[in-house]
Amino acid sequence: KQEVTQIPAALSVPEGENLVLNCSFTDSAIYNLQWFRQDPGKGLTSLLLIQSSQREQTSGRLNASLDKSSGRSTLYIAASQPGDSATYLCAVRPLLRYSTLTFGKGTMLLVSP
Amino acid sequence: GAGVSQSPSNKVTEKGKDVELRCDPISGHTALYWYRQSLGQGLEFLIYFQGNSAPDKSGLPSDRFSAERTGGSVSTLTIQRTQQEDSAVYLCASSLNFVEQFFGPGTRLTVL
Repeated sequence: KQEVTQIPAALSVPEGENLVLNCSFTDSAIYNLQWFRQDPGKGLTSLLLIQSSQREQTSGRLNASLDKSSGRSTLYIAASQPGDSATYLCAVRPLLRYSTLTFGKGTMLLVSP
Repeated sequence: GAGVSQSPSNKVTEKGKDVELRCDPISGHTALYWYRQSLGQGLEFLIYFQGNSAPDKSGLPSDRFSAERTGGSVSTLTIQRTQQEDSAVYLCASSLNFVEQFFGPGTRLTVL
């Protein structure tokens, strides 16, 4: 059974810092990996999606990497801003069961002005 | 519409009552998913619809939970005889293919 772990569970940084969020998964047979952002009381917003054949994806100040063989992904946020404060979720889609995403429990990020 | 919509946004009910939660996916999206997010837990897959195929119900926690999708568009998740442990945020997502899922804002269900 696929398990997704996110470390740390919570992170507090001052504005302007670069930071890395970690995601690990136990079964490397994945179709893709997706990073989401969730604001309090809101749904999920997709940030980056990495196909299993890709190594990284970039969008603005965000960069996500994928090392499928070791079961790891990182989300790098450059020059963090208070508006980046949210919970960040990592999810993997299995190779053979396209119907379901398996989510980690998330990293709660607080960026202080 | 522009995105996935869900209604109601909040629902408070008494233990033992039935509830219906609605999801309107993005127009044209053939796949629709329901997830549950309980306090302190990750998102838990419930059920998946793809076109006219039989739904994948493997994530439904009990036979009190059921869902249908009418006309390949709107979906309703029904919880019968609600229990306090059913309290959670229920999220719906849709996708055009298997590449990316787009989520709605969720329905927060509180069972008293």
